Amino acid sequence: AQTVTQSQPEMSVQEAETVTLSCTYDTSESDYYLFWYKQPPSRQMILVIRQEAYKQQNATENRFSVNFQKAAKSFSLKISDSQLGDAAMYFCAYRGGSEKLVFGKGTKLTVNP
Amino acid sequence: GAGVSQSPSNKVTEKGKDVELRCDPISGHTALYWYRQRLGQGLEFLIYFQGNSAPDKSGLPSDRFSAERTGESVSTLTIQRTQQEDSAVYLCASSSRRGIRELFFGEGSRLTVL
Repeated sequence: AQTVTQSQPEMSVQEAETVTLSCTYDTSESDYYLFWYKQPPSRQMILVIRQEAYKQQNATENRFSVNFQKAAKSFSLKISDSQLGDAAMYFCAYRGGSEKLVFGKGTKLTVNP
Repeated sequence: GAGVSQSPSNKVTEKGKDVELRCDPISGHTALYWYRQRLGQGLEFLIYFQGNSAPDKSGLPSDRFSAERTGESVSTLTIQRTQQEDSAVYLCASSSRRGIRELFFGEGSRLTVL
C-alpha cells in the first residue's frame, strides 16, 4: 500500500520569508499524481498545487512551488514571500491507480508577523 | 451547486445513538469520497463512490458504518450505535472523471459523541 510521510509536525516562518515543507512517499507505481492541500481553521481543504509524476518540470502556482524528485520519492512544497494567510495545516497527498487519495499526517505552519 | 455541501456542520450526540451525515457534491461530479479526520490527525479514507456504486469501501472501520449514494448525487454516511471514538470531523469530497480528477472538499461535519 502507498504511504505518505510528512516528517515535520510543525514549522514556523517569518512573514515575507521562504519556507519548505517536506513530503516523501512510498509506491511501486510509475504513474501517479501528487498534491499539496491547505487546511485553514475553517476546516475546508483547499488544493494548493499538483504534480503529475510523468512531468519532469516542477509545478508552480504563484508563490507556491514544488521540488519533485521522482527517484527519491520526494515532493516538497516551497512557499515564498510567506503571508499571514498562509498559516494552516498542509497535507501532502498521493493518488495512484486506485481512486483514493492517500494523505500524510500534515504539517502545521505558523507565520510570524 | 457551487461547491461540496455537507450537513450538519456540527452534531453532538449521546453514545449509542445513530447519526446520519449528508454530502451534496458538485453537480456533475461522478466520484464521491468520505474521509474521517480525528483531532490533530491526517485524513483517513473511509469509502469511495463512482456513480451510485462503491468500488472501494475498505476504509469503513466497522459494520456500524455504512454509506449510500443515490441519483449519482447526494450521499449519506450513517454511523450506528455511536461510540466516543467516532468523534471526528467527517469530510466529503467529489471529483469529475476527467483530467487530473482533483478532489474538491466540503467543510466537513464535526461529530461529538458524549
